[in-house]
Amino acid sequence: DVHLVQSGAELKKPGARVKISCKVSGYTFSANWIHWLRQAPGKGPEWLGLIDPEDGETSHAEKFEDRLTITADLSVDTAYLQLRDLRFDDTAIYYCSTGESTVPLPTGRFDFWGQGTLVIVSS
Amino acid sequence: DIMLTQSPLSLPVTPGEPASISCRSNQSLLHRNEYNYLDWFLQRPGQSPHLLIYLASNRAPGVPARFSGSGSGTDFTLEISRVEAEDVGVYYCMQGLQTPFTFGQGTRLDMK
Repeated sequence: DVHLVQSGAELKKPGARVKISCKVSGYTFSANWIHWLRQAPGKGPEWLGLIDPEDGETSHAEKFEDRLTITADLSVDTAYLQLRDLRFDDTAIYYCSTGESTVPLPTGRFDFWGQGTLVIVSS
Repeated sequence: DIMLTQSPLSLPVTPGEPASISCRSNQSLLHRNEYNYLDWFLQRPGQSPHLLIYLASNRAPGVPARFSGSGSGTDFTLEISRVEAEDVGVYYCMQGLQTPFTFGQGTRLDMK
């Protein structure tokens, strides 16, 4: 069975940085892209970015400019999301997601999701 | 960014009755490969989103046959043939044609 297990909740002050992990099991980590999304309280999901763990290729939403970094460590089957210069509106549940890559869906479906990591930004 | 508009935003349904949710895009989601890059998700209370339909009309593995997706271009529909109690939650459409992938506002389905 495929599992994505994320790190625990974080409480941060404005201007700080947070790094969230997503450890996968049940498949070959390098085979599937990993997506990161977040969901602010009472809002719908928001896609943040993705990574190909095999070669480290990434893409992320332009609104985050250079605040967002997505990485992957093949030695521990774990993807990471780091968000810098935290703002109050970064308060959200952050999710990782993955799925098998296919011809029409080279970055994979959103078949499997982590349990979510709550990040609260508060002074 | 591509904008998706869902309707209705709230959908009270009697168990056993059908339900339908619309998702409209401000740009065509039809790729030159003839696939429509539109997915549907259900988020039950307190849970992560769950993929129901991908590429507009394909049921994800393990999804009951009462769920179906249709549409092409800019207009898409999710249909539930007979709603069950476990279908309660918020339904989202998402476009995967171009980054940033974007979601509709969500449709809350609950039991009458």
